[in-house]
Amino acid sequence: SQTIHQWPATLVQPVGSPLSLECTVEGTSNPNLYWYRQAAGRGLQLLFYSVGIGQISSEVPQNLSASRPQDRQFILSSKKLLLSDSGFYLCAWSVQANYGYTFGSGTRLTVV
Amino acid sequence: LAKTTQPISMDSYEGQEVNITCSHNNIATNDYITWYQQFPSQGPRFIIQGYKTKVTNEVASLFIPADRKSSTLSLPRVSLSDTAVYYCLVAQWGSARQLTFGSGTQLTVLP
Repeated sequence: SQTIHQWPATLVQPVGSPLSLECTVEGTSNPNLYWYRQAAGRGLQLLFYSVGIGQISSEVPQNLSASRPQDRQFILSSKKLLLSDSGFYLCAWSVQANYGYTFGSGTRLTVV
Repeated sequence: LAKTTQPISMDSYEGQEVNITCSHNNIATNDYITWYQQFPSQGPRFIIQGYKTKVTNEVASLFIPADRKSSTLSLPRVSLSDTAVYYCLVAQWGSARQLTFGSGTQLTVLP
């Protein structure tokens, strides 16, 4: 069966520090991968999606970036975090022509 | 891209049937309607998806009228554990692109 792993679960980082969140999927090949962010009490905002290795589409201009170095690995990064980067970050995957998206357990990022 | 509109919040009591309606007036021919459930500090969980008429699974039913400009998620006999945020999404089947989730509907089930 397919599983999605996301870590860390919680993270507290100072302003200006770098960020690296990792997401991996098991049990499937060539998944579509997504990074979402959810601010407190708000809906989910799509940040990036990828349909293949090295293929990244950005939905929102910001100081975050994403990379997909391997088929089932998706990384969210920042060189210098801002206070506004605080939020709940979720990785998700889907298989084209399948229904639904499967989400990871999320990372609660607090920038202080 | 079809935009969705849902009530911000709803309250219900245990054992009642809950219907949450989502409006999507400019839904496209190739768009499907999907509902997700999200508990605090967890990722959304797929509930049900449909294109037209009625879809039912072990968790919920989805009613879609002929014009497809709205859809209603029906949760039979809710319990306290159904308290969550429910999101309605409209997206093209098989598309790699996913619409941004809206604010969803906060359902609170009261004892």
